Amino acid sequence: KQEVTQIPAALSVPEGENLVLNCSFTDSAIYNLQWFRQDPGKGLTSLLLIQSSQREQTSGRLNASLDKSSGRSTLYIAASQPGDSATYLCAVFRNAGNMLTFGGGTRLMVKP
Amino acid sequence: ETGVTQTPRHLVMGMTNKKSLKCEQHLGHNAMYWYKQSAKKPLELMFVYNFKEQTENNSVPSRFSPECPNSSHLFLHLHTLQPEDSALYLCASSQEGLVKVTQYFGPGTRLTVL
Repeated sequence: KQEVTQIPAALSVPEGENLVLNCSFTDSAIYNLQWFRQDPGKGLTSLLLIQSSQREQTSGRLNASLDKSSGRSTLYIAASQPGDSATYLCAVFRNAGNMLTFGGGTRLMVKP
Repeated sequence: ETGVTQTPRHLVMGMTNKKSLKCEQHLGHNAMYWYKQSAKKPLELMFVYNFKEQTENNSVPSRFSPECPNSSHLFLHLHTLQPEDSALYLCASSQEGLVKVTQYFGPGTRLTVL
């Protein structure tokens, strides 16, 4: 059974800092890995999707890396802003079926 | 807006009530999903529909009954729920094919069972 863990569960940083969110998964037989953002009381917004054959993806100030063999992914946020405050969720798509398995999320607070 | 709408946004119901959650996607996708997000637990997949056919049921109790009349609409019928069923219920859709792509999520229905 695939299990996804995110560390830390919560993070508070001052504006302007670079930060790293971590995600680990137990079964390396994944098709892809995604990072989502969730604002309070709202649905999820996809940020980055990394295919299992890729090592990283970049979008603006966000960079996600994937090390499938070690079961790890990181989301790097450069020059953090208060608008980045949200919960960030990592999810892996297994090779078979349509199931996304989610981590518990990291709740990020960026203080002005 | 992601192109996926959910109604109602908030619902309070008693344990003996029957209610339904509705999801509609305007993206032309062929797959739709129900997820449950409880406090302090990871987001959990409940059901998956591909081309109106149910392809995944993640051991969900029978008091939750999904219905997918067409590829654009998905319902979750609720009856005799328990207080522990209180959660945010999220609907998502995607275009399933040879390549697995991202899912687009609705804003969710916040359900409280008294």
